[in-house]
Amino acid sequence: DAKTTQPPSMDCAEGRAANLPCNHSTISGNEYVYWYRQIHSQGPQYIIHGLKNNETNEMASLIITEDRKSSTLILPHATLRDTAVYYCIVRADYGKLTFGQGTILTVHP
Amino acid sequence: GAGVSQSPSNKVTEKGKDVELRCDPISGHTALYWYRQRLGQGLEFLIYFQGNSAPDKSGLPSDRFSAERTGESVSTLTIQRTQQEDSAVYLCASSYQTGLAAGGELFFGEGSRLTVL
Repeated sequence: DAKTTQPPSMDCAEGRAANLPCNHSTISGNEYVYWYRQIHSQGPQYIIHGLKNNETNEMASLIITEDRKSSTLILPHATLRDTAVYYCIVRADYGKLTFGQGTILTVHP
Repeated sequence: GAGVSQSPSNKVTEKGKDVELRCDPISGHTALYWYRQRLGQGLEFLIYFQGNSAPDKSGLPSDRFSAERTGESVSTLTIQRTQQEDSAVYLCASSYQTGLAAGGELFFGEGSRLTVL
């Protein structure tokens, strides 16, 4: 699976949009981009995934660049409960998800 | 239940003892995964099952670790002769399928916290 690069930490003000970047320059054509988050002392939670088109669900939006070498997860109105570690993962069609170090997002009042 | 259930939620054991950790996946989910997370660290993949078979057990750290799944449902992770470095949260996840069509995302349990004294 392709490797991803994320900033180790980010801050965001409550109520503002949180934009979390991810680089995956070696992604191949059959690999999807997945985002998960892990709130302290809980199991990871699925957020969203996509292949090449932008995706939106009730939690977030995923913007993937045209060349698919990077993506951005957008939390449109961050709340204190969104403070977590956010993992960007690229994965082929089957098997394990390989988690990196992720981005620690801190939402402050 | 609606989610992935793991038991026990906490386990304290003495070095050298064997432990068994149980995972009940979401009903109908064919794929099941085990991960380990040491304190302050990321998730380490251990093994995954498709049905009752384990196509990828590359993450099992030693032959003291084993896992099985029966009835395409419950899975048990067994650690023999536990060591202090085995102390971690062991997380189980399941998915409807391993493929990437809708339904391939993983749903995690809350984990079993193992402390080896």
